[in-house]
Amino acid sequence: GNSVTQMEGPVTLSEEAFLTINCTYTATGYPSLFWYVQYPGEGLQLLLKATKADDKGSNKGFEATYRKETTSFHLEKGSVQVSDSAVYFCALSYTLNAGGTSYGKLTFGQGTILTVHP
Amino acid sequence: EAGVAQSPRYKIIEKRQSVAFWCNPISGHATLYWYQQILGQGPKLLIQFQNNGVVDDSQLPKDRFSAERLKGVDSTLKIQPAKLEDSAVYLCASSLTPRGGEQYFGPGTRLTVT
Repeated sequence: GNSVTQMEGPVTLSEEAFLTINCTYTATGYPSLFWYVQYPGEGLQLLLKATKADDKGSNKGFEATYRKETTSFHLEKGSVQVSDSAVYFCALSYTLNAGGTSYGKLTFGQGTILTVHP
Repeated sequence: EAGVAQSPRYKIIEKRQSVAFWCNPISGHATLYWYQQILGQGPKLLIQFQNNGVVDDSQLPKDRFSAERLKGVDSTLKIQPAKLEDSAVYLCASSLTPRGGEQYFGPGTRLTVT
């Protein structure tokens, strides 16, 4: 079945440090890939997405590139801020029905807690 | 635009009791999802509705969980009887269609079963 694996957390950084959160996936066909973020006390929200190989998703200074050859979608940010402290989830879904896999549902990784100190 | 609404936000019950959660999706969103998020894990899909029909309920423990989406708008998820392992956050999400991938999540209901 499909699965998503994220790097173990928690991750603790100082403000302005470089961030990488690793994400790899196992899936058949051509899923779309996502990063969702959950800020303290808030619901999950979409951070960025990529729908095909070599696509780069970006938002709020975060970037991730869909690498089919390494089945990865690592999240990066050049200079983190205290306000980036949150839980980050990598996820995949299919936007077309793929061999019996229902489209739309998200398969999530376990989440990575990021804490940024001033 | 109002977001996805869920109630209650918190619920504590004893095992073998029953509980119900309510979700009102964003207006006009045809697809509605219920996810279960156990502490330290990512959300897991329980059931997906397209309008008022079930698209996927393969991960729903049907001996104790049930869900409905009458009239294709709001939805109710019920657990009867609850077990200790049902302690989790129950998330409702909606999307305009299932094909775009972007889902909008509600704040969740935190259930504690004692």
